[in-house]
Parts: sequence; structure tokens; C-alpha cells
Amino acid sequence: NAGVTQTPKFQVLKTGQSMTLQCAQDMNHEYMSWYRQDPGMGLRLIHYSVGAGITDQGEVPNGYNVSRSTTEDFPLRLLSAAPSQTSVYFCASSYSTGRGNTIYFGEGSWLTVV
Amino acid sequence: AQSVTQLDSQVPVFEEAPVELRCNYSSSVSVYLFWYVQYPNQGLQLLLKYLSGSTLVESINGFEAEFNKSQTSFHLRKPSVHISDTAEYFCAVSEGGGATNKLIFGTGTLLAVQP
Repeated sequence: NAGVTQTPKFQVLKTGQSMTLQCAQDMNHEYMSWYRQDPGMGLRLIHYSVGAGITDQGEVPNGYNVSRSTTEDFPLRLLSAAPSQTSVYFCASSYSTGRGNTIYFGEGSWLTVV
Repeated sequence: AQSVTQLDSQVPVFEEAPVELRCNYSSSVSVYLFWYVQYPNQGLQLLLKYLSGSTLVESINGFEAEFNKSQTSFHLRKPSVHISDTAEYFCAVSEGGGATNKLIFGTGTLLAVQP
């Protein structure tokens, strides 16, 4: 069982470049989300989705776009990378029905913007 | 708005000693509480969670946490730590009645177990 798979694991971007972080889950989870992790700040929610075709903003959405065309995939797009977006990004998924469901995390994508 | 406070950014402890990692939350509605663990260069894994019922919840590797509504706390404890427990621990909260499964995380506590 692959769980939540993120690619790439490491990426270096130049300021102004665009890129997409890929996320796929094979657990048929309705709910998917993206977090960024920065030292001393914990994890902050960027965007989330409760099902195919439905997305919404989290706590820190600026500079990021998402789409959810299938249940399995939830890519995160950086339109014009900035040094402030240097971070570790985690994709996560869970069943959204039922309360307090366990959220499963991918192994993270380390992004450096120079 | 919900928030989670983990006052200790790092907790050094000797192997086989007891440890407590503190977590306090603020919320105007009923909450569900979680502890996640992150080993170096890995994603987060659920350690334990409180949804309802008994206020004391346990994990399979000896950790336990107690939900204290009056003190709005959910501290994590282990009576005897091992080197392998070295990791970062995150407390998180989600709204009890929320339709989505959004988690609000604390800033994390690094548990550093020394031989």
C-alpha cells in the first residue's frame, strides 16, 4: 500500500520559476490537503479539497494554486517562486466522512528557492 | 479561532527517564485532539488521538495523553523513554463539528533522548 506519494522529494528553483509538486493517494480518500513546514512555525495549511472538483484556501494560500480533477491526485502549483516559499511541503489525505479521522501524510518535498 | 500552543521547543531527557510534552489549545467549540510524531526526514505519523469518551488515551509504543477540558490541555507523557523516541512531536486540534478534517498544529517539540 503506497499511501500518500509526493514528488519530487527535493527541488531547487530560481526566483520567478514555476513548478508543480505532485501528490497522489491510493486510499480513496475524499479529503486532501497541502501543508508547509517552517522552523518554529509548525505546519500551516495551504489549500485543501473535500473531493474532486472542490478546493478551498487554508491559512497561507498566497502564491499557490491547486486543482482536484480526480480523487487520487492533488497537485500544488507555485506560479512564480519566491525565496519565502523555501520550505518543506507535505501532502495529506483522509476520509472526510466521520469525525476526527486520521490524516495520513506523505514524506515531504524539500523546496529551495534561490 | 482555534490555536495550539506547545511552549517547549526542545526537551532533552536521558534514556529511561520520564517525559512530559506540554500542549494547550484554545477553541470555542468542542475539539478533537491529536499528537503526531515526525522522525528525521520523514512525514508525520499519528501517535494518538482524543475524540470522546475516556480522557486518557494511549499509543502502542507507551505514550499516553490526557484530555483536560478545564485546563484546555492535552499533554503527552511517557514513563520511560528510549533513544528511538527521539523525534519532533506535534500537537494538533480540529473542530469537533467541522465538515472538513482541517488540523491546526502547534509549533512542535523536539524530544532529544540522550544515552
